[in-house]
Amino acid sequence: NAGVMQNPRHLVRRRGQEARLRCSPMKGHSHVYWYRQLPEEGLKFMVYLQKENIIDESGMPKERFSAEFPKEGPSILRIQQVVRGDSAAYFCASSPTTGMHHNEQFFGPGTRLTVL
Amino acid sequence: AQSVSQHNHHVILSEAASLELGCNYSYGGTVNLFWYVQYPGQHLQLLLKYFSGDPLVKGIKGFEAEFIKSKFSFNLRKPSVQWSDTAEYFCAVNLNAGGTSYGKLTFGQGTILTVHP
Repeated sequence: NAGVMQNPRHLVRRRGQEARLRCSPMKGHSHVYWYRQLPEEGLKFMVYLQKENIIDESGMPKERFSAEFPKEGPSILRIQQVVRGDSAAYFCASSPTTGMHHNEQFFGPGTRLTVL
Repeated sequence: AQSVSQHNHHVILSEAASLELGCNYSYGGTVNLFWYVQYPGQHLQLLLKYFSGDPLVKGIKGFEAEFIKSKFSFNLRKPSVQWSDTAEYFCAVNLNAGGTSYGKLTFGQGTILTVHP
């Protein structure tokens, strides 16, 4: 069973461009979480989604950031008009609805975004 | 607001030394507690977790942690570290809502552990 997949692993953007980060959860997982890790800091929660629904977006910046988890395909974290302060590692995690691991989040390898 | 505090930013030990990493949380309600490890160049992996029951939890690779509710603490321990334990360790918490915890994790700042051979 493949783990959580994220792509790209590294993304370089110039200020003002758009960044799209993708996350494919583990097979059978219907919950997706996005976290951001700024340099020298721990991971900060951004958003929690289930298929076609945003459950909790309390950690998302009010502007330029959006997330979706469509019925088909990966979850997407979109950052419009990137600024240097968006440079960070973005981690996706997934969890199943039921089963012995239903309370555990499994993390992907992260996408390192660098804004020039 | 909920918060998690890890006392040490960087810990340096020699092989075979004992390890204890502190973690305290500030959270209203019943919580689930986790320790994750991030080896260099790799993604976060779960070391151990506490949901309920025995407050002494054993995880992978010889790690254990003790939940002390009165102290709001969940310290990570290992009696004898190895060079391969060099990594960053994160304590995390979320709310235990009736036995399920689909919600967000709040992480501590992380502790970098360096083990010298």
